[in-house]
Amino acid sequence: AQTVTQSQPEMSVQEAETVTLSCTYDTSESDYYLFWYKQPPSRQMILVIRQEAYKQQNATENRFSVNFQKAAKSFSLKISDSQLGDAAMYFCAYRRGGGGADGLTFGKGTHLIIQP
Amino acid sequence: NAGVTQTPKFQVLKTGQSMTLQCAQDMNHNSMYWYRQDPGMGLRLIYYSASEGTTDKGEVPNGYNVSRLNKREFSLRLESAAPSQTSVYFCASSADRVGQPQHFGDGTRLSIL
Repeated sequence: AQTVTQSQPEMSVQEAETVTLSCTYDTSESDYYLFWYKQPPSRQMILVIRQEAYKQQNATENRFSVNFQKAAKSFSLKISDSQLGDAAMYFCAYRRGGGGADGLTFGKGTHLIIQP
Repeated sequence: NAGVTQTPKFQVLKTGQSMTLQCAQDMNHNSMYWYRQDPGMGLRLIYYSASEGTTDKGEVPNGYNVSRLNKREFSLRLESAAPSQTSVYFCASSADRVGQPQHFGDGTRLSIL
């Protein structure tokens, strides 16, 4: 079974600074997808960024980027120019590749605090 | 475009009562999912459905049943609620194309006394 580990229960960063959230995963698959979801206090689950394992290029979405290290099974999220609205729980998630309706395997999350 | 809609948003039950959580999506997705989120945990998959008429167990299916009523709707039923089922429940859907992200509803906070 796949597992996803987020080793930082909580992180704090000053507004406008850069922060990196860590995620490691364990899988025997070679084809899979990785995601970062944001959960603000409103409880919504919001997709932040997505990475295909077969792509070597790291995904970016505006201020959000990932450092995907396939051999190390590491998938960290970098948030640049942190804003107060970035304060939330962040979850790393894994989905195996191939067809079918596979669910996501989530880490336990990292609580991100933005200091004004 | 509402996306994924869950009802109710909050519910309190007594131990032993039954309850059905409703979920509907308007994105024409074939795949739908039910997760639960407990304090200090990520979401865990309860059941999923690849298409109308099919359902499969996820990581934590015990104590739950599901029904894929049609393409739009996927319900989760607790036949005899237990305090251990106190949680926040999320419904999600995704398109069929491989690797497509899941779109989540706003969740149902369920407390069982």
